[in-house]
Amino acid sequence: KQEVTQIPAALSVPEGENLVLNCSFTDSAIYNLQWFRQDPGKGLTSLLLIQSSQREQTSGRLNASLDKSSGRSTLYIAASQPGDSATYLCAVPKGSQGNLIFGKGTKLSVKP
Amino acid sequence: GAGVSQSPSNKVTEKGKDVELRCDPISGHTALYWYRQSLGQGLEFLIYFQGNSAPDKSGLPSDRFSAERTGGSVSTLTIQRTQQEDSAVYLCASSLALQGGYGYTFGSGTRLTVV
Repeated sequence: KQEVTQIPAALSVPEGENLVLNCSFTDSAIYNLQWFRQDPGKGLTSLLLIQSSQREQTSGRLNASLDKSSGRSTLYIAASQPGDSATYLCAVPKGSQGNLIFGKGTKLSVKP
Repeated sequence: GAGVSQSPSNKVTEKGKDVELRCDPISGHTALYWYRQSLGQGLEFLIYFQGNSAPDKSGLPSDRFSAERTGGSVSTLTIQRTQQEDSAVYLCASSLALQGGYGYTFGSGTRLTVV
């Protein structure tokens, strides 16, 4: 059974810091891994999608890496800003069925 | 449409009443998913549809929950005889395909409050 774990559960940093969010999954046979952002009371916004054959994806100040063999992914946020404050979720498809298995998220707070 | 649209955005209902939540996926997306997020909890898978195949209902918490997808597009999630524990944000997502390399796009959700 696939399980997704995110560490830390919460993180508070001063503005301008670079930071890393961690995601681990127990079954390495994944098709892809997706990082999402969720603002309070809102839906999910897709940030990055990494295919199983890829090692990393970049979008602006965000960089996500994937190491399938070790069952890990990291989301790197450079030069954090108060607007980055949100909960960050990682998710992988459940086997061949497609519905996503989510971690519980990391709640990020960037202080001005 | 440009994104996944859900309606209503907020719904307050009395315990015991039935509710219908609507999801309009991105045009051309063959896969559609429903998730539930209770306060302070992670996302709980409910059901998904893929094309004309029978839906996977394995995540539905009870027989009070049902969903349909008409014409391979719009989906309706129905909760009968609502209970207070049904209060949550119900999120819908769509994808180009069931598996293999396609990301998911989520709607903004319907916040259901059962009083």
